[in-house]
Amino acid sequence: DADVTQTPRNRITKTGKRIMLECSQTKGHDRMYWYRQDPGLGLRLIYYSFDVKDINKGEISDGYSVSRQAQAKFSLSLESAIPNQTALYFCATSDPSGTSTDTQYFGPGTRLTVL
Amino acid sequence: QKEVEQNSGPLSVPEGAIASLNCTYSDRVSQSFFWYRQYSGKSPELIMSIYSNGDKEDGRFTAQLNKASQYVSLLIRDSQPSDSATYLCAVNRGGGGNKLTFGTGTQLKVEL
Repeated sequence: DADVTQTPRNRITKTGKRIMLECSQTKGHDRMYWYRQDPGLGLRLIYYSFDVKDINKGEISDGYSVSRQAQAKFSLSLESAIPNQTALYFCATSDPSGTSTDTQYFGPGTRLTVL
Repeated sequence: QKEVEQNSGPLSVPEGAIASLNCTYSDRVSQSFFWYRQYSGKSPELIMSIYSNGDKEDGRFTAQLNKASQYVSLLIRDSQPSDSATYLCAVNRGGGGNKLTFGTGTQLKVEL
């Protein structure tokens, strides 16, 4: 079984709908991240969490919210989806083995289309 | 200036040749550096990490870091068609954030 799973893998929705993307991991890592990827813009950090009680905004958090339900689960919500949130979304995890040796491992991604 | 810059490519090399991928970064306090490979529509996969100046080799891959010049490179020896992918450079500034900043990636095409 995959260490980092994301559901759904593909989603098409309409403008104004509320959408939740879920991420689960069996790696036992404390740190979890949400990124979006757009052509030509690379991966951009939306939110990150270093433990269940620690959630932080990334560089593009507007229009998104997150919930860390447990060490293994980190959900991303779009309260009112808009077309420019159409993108490929990745969840990632890492193990804080050192202050700068923080390798991140990615889930398979969710392709979201907002019509 | 972007925090992490890569040439978008595509970089085309013949099978069996050495592919050289380059990345520059703007923040001198950056402490750790990563190369990820991403096939179209798939998730990034870690290829190499490097933390100290010099070379680090792993099989056909060699990462090179020069902190004084603020660049990191990835060499792929004996390139294979299966190496055709986009290669992402990522930089960690360290400190309390421990967040990765990614370049936009270089597309590599290995031709038969």
